[in-house]
Amino acid sequence: SQTIHQWPATLVQPVGSPLSLECTVEGTSNPNLYWYRQAAGRGLQLLFYSVGIGQISSEVPQNLSASRPQDRQFILSSKKLLLSDSGFYLCACTRGATNTEAFFGQGTRLTVV
Amino acid sequence: GEDVEQSLFLSVREGDSSVINCTYTDSSSTYLYWYKQEPGAGLQLLTYIFSNMDMKQDQRLTVLLNKKDKHLSLRIADTQTGDSAIYFCAESDGDKLSFGAGTTVTVRA
Repeated sequence: SQTIHQWPATLVQPVGSPLSLECTVEGTSNPNLYWYRQAAGRGLQLLFYSVGIGQISSEVPQNLSASRPQDRQFILSSKKLLLSDSGFYLCACTRGATNTEAFFGQGTRLTVV
Repeated sequence: GEDVEQSLFLSVREGDSSVINCTYTDSSSTYLYWYKQEPGAGLQLLTYIFSNMDMKQDQRLTVLLNKKDKHLSLRIADTQTGDSAIYFCAESDGDKLSFGAGTTVTVRA
């Protein structure tokens, strides 16, 4: 089965600093990859998803971007963090066309100060 | 509006049945899911249903799908205290995977 590695687990960054969160997947090839932000009362907000290398779909306009440089690597970035970027970020993957189950990373708690 | 909507809270007495409802907007959805998140834990897949099915039963769980109304429900029979959690409805068209805000289910004695 798939394993998702997401790091770091916690991060405290000053406003205006850059961000790079990395997610890697083991145990499957050509997965669909997702970045979510989880907030209380708002569930899982889909930020970006990717169905292949270099293919990124953005769901909400924001200060963040995503990239998929390799099949099993998904990166969430920002050039300049805002206070409103604070939150809990989750990476997830499914097996593409047969995505009967999503697997999640452990999440990153980002605090922008 | 949101792609997937569900009520935020449900309180149920132990031993009764719980019914959690969800509506979605994407008519090209091929898979619909229910996930459970217990306090301090990650999301766990409970069950899923293909869009060409009307019902799926798995032990105490029954999923009903009304594709015409884009309505999905999860019934938990004989609800126990261990069923207290947040339940997320999700849908996928094979590429995009969208979740609802989650329904917090509280089981009272």
